[in-house]
Amino acid sequence: EVQLVESGGGLVKPGGSLRLSCAASGFTFSNAWMSWVRQAPGKGLEWVGRIRSKTGGGTTDYAAPVKGRFTISRDDSKNTLYLQMSSLKTEDTAVYYCTTETTRFDYWGQGTLVTVSS
Amino acid sequence: QSALTQPASVSGSPGQSITISCTGTSSDVGGYNSVSWYQQHPGKAPKLMIYDVSNRPSGVSNRFSGSKSGNTASLTISGLQAEDEADYYCSSYTSSSTWVFGGGTKLTVL
Repeated sequence: EVQLVESGGGLVKPGGSLRLSCAASGFTFSNAWMSWVRQAPGKGLEWVGRIRSKTGGGTTDYAAPVKGRFTISRDDSKNTLYLQMSSLKTEDTAVYYCTTETTRFDYWGQGTLVTVSS
Repeated sequence: QSALTQPASVSGSPGQSITISCTGTSSDVGGYNSVSWYQQHPGKAPKLMIYDVSNRPSGVSNRFSGSKSGNTASLTISGLQAEDEADYYCSSYTSSSTWVFGGGTKLTVL
């Protein structure tokens, strides 16, 4: 059974940093392209960015609102995906989901809430 | 990248059929078959319901179907049931190698 478990969310001040983790199991993580998707309170889904598998180049892509502030990385030895967030803004407040990415987002974690507030 | 356009809400009675539209551009919906639909119940993670325009994952009811014409994709739910009441989101791959979601549609089963 595929499982994705996010952690690391919490309250952070504007301008601060936070690192989210996503522990994966039930599939070959090293072969998977992974994405982060967020959802602000009461709002819709927004794609944040992706990291390709090592065989896919291991490269990353980001949505315009987070480019230059967020960094996605992976540790295939630990089956873990990361989202390093810096220069956080109040508009980054959201539930952050990690997902597997193919031609769609097949599996989703339960999400972790990030609140950016002074 | 602008969000795909979905109606804010749709409703239907049990047993009826409803269709949710998702309109984009030739740079996303119209240019790719990587269009998918997600169901989200309150407080829960989204669930994949339709992928590659019209394919259903294993375990998803055949009451759910998808289609696409030009820059508009559609999700149809037939034989509406109370448990179908949820938010629905479309998503498409884009020419910028990114993904874009629709704004979401709240389905109410009357």
